[in-house]
Amino acid sequence: ETGVTQTPRHLVMGMTNKKSLKCEQHLGHNAMYWYKQSAKKPLELMFVYNFKEQTENNSVPSRFSPECPNSSHLFLHLHTLQPEDSALYLCASSPGGAGLNEQFFGPGTRLTVL
Amino acid sequence: GDSVTQMEGPVTLSEEACLTINCTYTATGYPSLFWYVQYPGEGLQLLLKATKADDKGSNKGFEATYRKETTSFHLEKGSVQVSDSAVYFCALAPGTGANNLFFGTGTRLTVIP
Repeated sequence: ETGVTQTPRHLVMGMTNKKSLKCEQHLGHNAMYWYKQSAKKPLELMFVYNFKEQTENNSVPSRFSPECPNSSHLFLHLHTLQPEDSALYLCASSPGGAGLNEQFFGPGTRLTVL
Repeated sequence: GDSVTQMEGPVTLSEEACLTINCTYTATGYPSLFWYVQYPGEGLQLLLKATKADDKGSNKGFEATYRKETTSFHLEKGSVQVSDSAVYFCALAPGTGANNLFFGTGTRLTVIP
């Protein structure tokens, strides 16, 4: 595998379910990101991890819980979601640290909450 | 604060037509600027970038010039193809060295044969 991979690609869940999204990067990067992409809205940055430390949490509801066990893996744990949480969830990585940081994106997980 | 404003879509063009998607930015310091492209069913891919004023980024026939005087980074292509149909995002990386990118809302381009 190369680049940034995300699993699953599609997920349908009920409001009472608990599920997790997984992201893995094979680029040797140190920063990882979760974004939410909803129709007709700008890309929303949710969380940023830099060298495994969370450096950004953009007022995301607690029903979304990130986990970064190492610099290659990033999870987004989901529980008691709402239908308005249905969206494409994108993971990205970048080299991290200071300086120019291009972000490399995964293909996304299309989440539908019933 | 830092932000990006890009032209609303959708944009529909015939094959071989000229494309311009406008992007302007607001930033403190000296940001870097990017265009990302998202093809149907995929994540975002970096299309081109420019790191300082007057730089021109180019890739796959697309170009954008970092213009500090007009705070713009418009995306252009002289002759579009059906395969260019996608959503295009302008983005800014703050000059402060922060890791975050600020994205525009995206512009959907459809090219018809």
